[in-house]
Amino acid sequence: QKEVEQNSGPLSVPEGAIASLNCTYSDRGSQSFFWYRQYSGKSPELIMSIYSNGDKEDGRFTAQLNKASQYVSLLIRDSQPSDSATYLCALYGGATNKLIFGTGTLLAVQP
Amino acid sequence: GAGVSQSPSNKVTEKGKDVELRCDPISGHTALYWYRQSLGQGLEFLIYFQGNSAPDKSGLPSDRFSAERTGGSVSTLTIQRTQQEDSAVYLCASSLVEQVEAFFGQGTRLTVV
Repeated sequence: QKEVEQNSGPLSVPEGAIASLNCTYSDRGSQSFFWYRQYSGKSPELIMSIYSNGDKEDGRFTAQLNKASQYVSLLIRDSQPSDSATYLCALYGGATNKLIFGTGTLLAVQP
Repeated sequence: GAGVSQSPSNKVTEKGKDVELRCDPISGHTALYWYRQSLGQGLEFLIYFQGNSAPDKSGLPSDRFSAERTGGSVSTLTIQRTQQEDSAVYLCASSLVEQVEAFFGQGTRLTVV
């Protein structure tokens, strides 16, 4: 089982819709979770961090964490074509402080 | 500095040559990470430094790869006897302490010909 799993996509949504990106992880000891956005040819950019169970909202972005189910998600409301990118889920290992990444989900927002 | 700085931005080298990639983290950040991203692939963890602790080298793919961090700041990733499969973007990130947000540099694109 991979440490961090994401559906590679592409996930295609129409402009203005809600995009839902999901991530599961295997290390129950993980405490810190992050979402990064990576445009083609660019380096990853941090967009959200979440440390506690529940929802965390920042503008059009909402991160959701459920440690019991080992599941973290990212919702993007009112999706825009400029949101088209690869979204990477990341977390620190529970037993180590190694920051590990999923392979990313490609999001395509159709105008 | 304002952000993580990596140099060079691009490096083309001949197979068999050694290369050095540099990362200058955000001032005051104690943790520093190196990753490799091959074309169309995810981020592959290479090595992690935290303060004065021994680095976590568990991701280095072979003994041709090494890294050091001097004075708890600048880090250098060295690849000896480069091979074509080493061609990738090498990314560096830093975080203030462990378990918090990490920020990436712009990466070094390495091409081995």
